[in-house]
Amino acid sequence: AQSVAQPEDQVNVAEGNPLTVKCTYSVSGNPYLFWYVQYPNRGLQFLLKYITGDNLVKGSYGFEAEFNKSQTSFHLKKPSALVSDSALYFCAVRALPTDSWGKLQFGAGTQVVVTP
Amino acid sequence: DAGVTQSPTHLIKTRGQQVTLRCSPKSGHDTVSWYQQALGQGPQFIFQYYEEEERQRGNFPDRFSGHQFPNYSSELNVNALLLGDSALYLCASSTGRTNEQFFGPGTRLTVL
Repeated sequence: AQSVAQPEDQVNVAEGNPLTVKCTYSVSGNPYLFWYVQYPNRGLQFLLKYITGDNLVKGSYGFEAEFNKSQTSFHLKKPSALVSDSALYFCAVRALPTDSWGKLQFGAGTQVVVTP
Repeated sequence: DAGVTQSPTHLIKTRGQQVTLRCSPKSGHDTVSWYQQALGQGPQFIFQYYEEEERQRGNFPDRFSGHQFPNYSSELNVNALLLGDSALYLCASSTGRTNEQFFGPGTRLTVL
C-alpha cells in the first residue's frame, strides 16, 4: 500500500523568507511524486512532479522540490515566500508499476501562512 | 482551453436522496478520476474511468457509481446519501501514464 505523510499541519513564514513544506512517502516500487496547491473554495492546481531523472525538480510560481530516495522524502521549497503563497499544499504519490493508472494517494495537507 | 469543468458548483441534498455530479475533462484528455475531499482532509480516490469503463476503484461503497461517455465526460452518482457524504467532489483529467492530473474546481455537496 502507498501512503503519504505531511508532518506539519501548518507552516508559518515571513514574506521574503525561505519556505519548506515537508513530505515523506511509502510505496512499493518506484514512485511518481506530485505537489498540488489549493486556494479557498478552489480545486487543486498542479505545481510540479518527479518521475525520474534529476532529483531537484522545478515547478510553477518559483517552487521546487527535492526527491530523496534514501529518506523517502519530497520536500517542497521556495527561496523567497510571497503573501500570495498562503494556501493549502498537498503532496501526492503514485506507485509504479503496481499501481499504474493514476490513483493518487494524497497527504492530509499543510496550510502555509505567509505574513507580510 | 477551458480546462476541467464541473457542475453544479454547489448542491444541497437530504439523507437518502440520490445525486449526480458532472465533469468535462480538459481538451485532449481521455481519463477521468473522481476524488472526495472531506473538510480538513486530503482528497480520497473514488474511481477512474478510461474508455468508458471503470479502470480502478478506491475504498468506496457501491453507492458510489460512475459513467464515462464517448466524448470522455463523466458522471459521478451517489445513492442513498448519508450525512458523511458531505464533501468537495473533485474531478481530475489526464492522459497517458506519466502525466499529471488536472483538477476541476469541484462540486460542494452538502447532505442535511
